[in-house]
Amino acid sequence: DAGVTQSPTHLIKTRGQQVTLRCSPKSGHDTVSWYQQALGQGPQFIFQYYEEEERQRGNFPDRFSGHQFPNYSSELNVNALLLGDSALYLCASSFTDNTGELFFGEGSRLTVL
Amino acid sequence: GEDVEQSLFLSVREGDSSVINCTYTDSSSTYLYWYKQEPGAGLQLLTYIFSNMDMKQDQRLTVLLNKKDKHLSLRIADTQTGDSAIYFCAEKTHAGNMLTFGGGTRLMVKP
Repeated sequence: DAGVTQSPTHLIKTRGQQVTLRCSPKSGHDTVSWYQQALGQGPQFIFQYYEEEERQRGNFPDRFSGHQFPNYSSELNVNALLLGDSALYLCASSFTDNTGELFFGEGSRLTVL
Repeated sequence: GEDVEQSLFLSVREGDSSVINCTYTDSSSTYLYWYKQEPGAGLQLLTYIFSNMDMKQDQRLTVLLNKKDKHLSLRIADTQTGDSAIYFCAEKTHAGNMLTFGGGTRLMVKP
């Protein structure tokens, strides 16, 4: 059983560009959350998707947007990249019935130059 | 508001027990989590505890929850060099489905 998978693992962009990161949840999970982890810090919640809708959002600007597909996979899009967007972006999947299980992928490391 | 605090660093000798501590402020927490992160990797779920429990044991790991003091701890018995990593505690609250993480505790295990 594959766990949470993310792609790409690493990428480099320049300021002002746009990026799309992808996530496939653990088999059977229907809820996907995205987190940003800056170097040396704990992860910060960006938003969560369930039934193809954004269910909750953290304190991130509108440059950060997402999507969830019928197969529960998800994308995170960041527009007009800033140097400060350089971070590890982590996807987490869970059941919506709040059993407590929440698994993370290996992350996508974004460097903005 | 929500805030989760952890000490930055812990050093132990191989074979000793490690205790990593965490405090949180939101009394409406439903689940509390411990994750392990090795260099360059994602977060590995070690264990989690429901807020109506005081203790949970899973092999070498023991989680203690003191709801009155809003204090969570993770004890690792017989610590090994492979346990060297950053450990994050996190809380999930009734208010939503997001996790709020602490800043992480770096555990160093000396041979």
